Amino acid sequence: TQLLEQSPQFLSIQEGENLTVYCNSSSVFSSLQWYRQEPGEGPVLLVTVVTGGEVKKLKRLTFQFGDARKDSSLHITAAQPGDTGLYLCAGPGRAGNMLTFGGGTRLMVKP
Amino acid sequence: DAGITQSPRHKVTETGTPVTLRCHQTENHRYMYWYRQDPGHGLRLIHYSYGVKDTDKGEVSDGYSVSRSKTEDFLLTLESATSSQTSVYFCAIRGQGGLNTEAFFGQGTRLTVV
Repeated sequence: TQLLEQSPQFLSIQEGENLTVYCNSSSVFSSLQWYRQEPGEGPVLLVTVVTGGEVKKLKRLTFQFGDARKDSSLHITAAQPGDTGLYLCAGPGRAGNMLTFGGGTRLMVKP
Repeated sequence: DAGITQSPRHKVTETGTPVTLRCHQTENHRYMYWYRQDPGHGLRLIHYSYGVKDTDKGEVSDGYSVSRSKTEDFLLTLESATSSQTSVYFCAIRGQGGLNTEAFFGQGTRLTVV
């Protein structure tokens, strides 16, 4: 089983602060996805990274895929209360058409 | 919004009773998935389908069965519900564009087994 471990599990910060959350594995992934989930809703895709060392930016969010394709990070600059939610990383499972998720990082941004 | 609907949205059932959750899609996507979400565990895959009548087990499949007789419907059955199956269940769909294709999720079904 390919496992994805996310850290930290919980993060509570003030508006305007920067933060980084991590997604790590002992296995190599061909790609990784990041999703955000708001209360009462299903997860929504933020980004897919496919190349080792790749960096993608989505407004104040910066995603990086590790050179060895075993890890990924999400950095948020100047966090806003609207960034509050559960951030999940996901990658292909043991069979290619499976999608396996990490445990998630629950972020709270206080005004 | 992707056309994916889960029903019911909420259900309370008694231990030992069978329960069926339904996922309906209007996108004609090939892949459909059932996940459960519990605090501290993220999303765990129960079963998935890669076509009509083609299904496979995920990481937490014990006590669950699925069926897909039509492209648009994927049913999850708890054969004899237990308290450990109290959870939020999410259905997801994904197209045939490869490993990087976006997964679209339903709004979830909150199941309580008492």
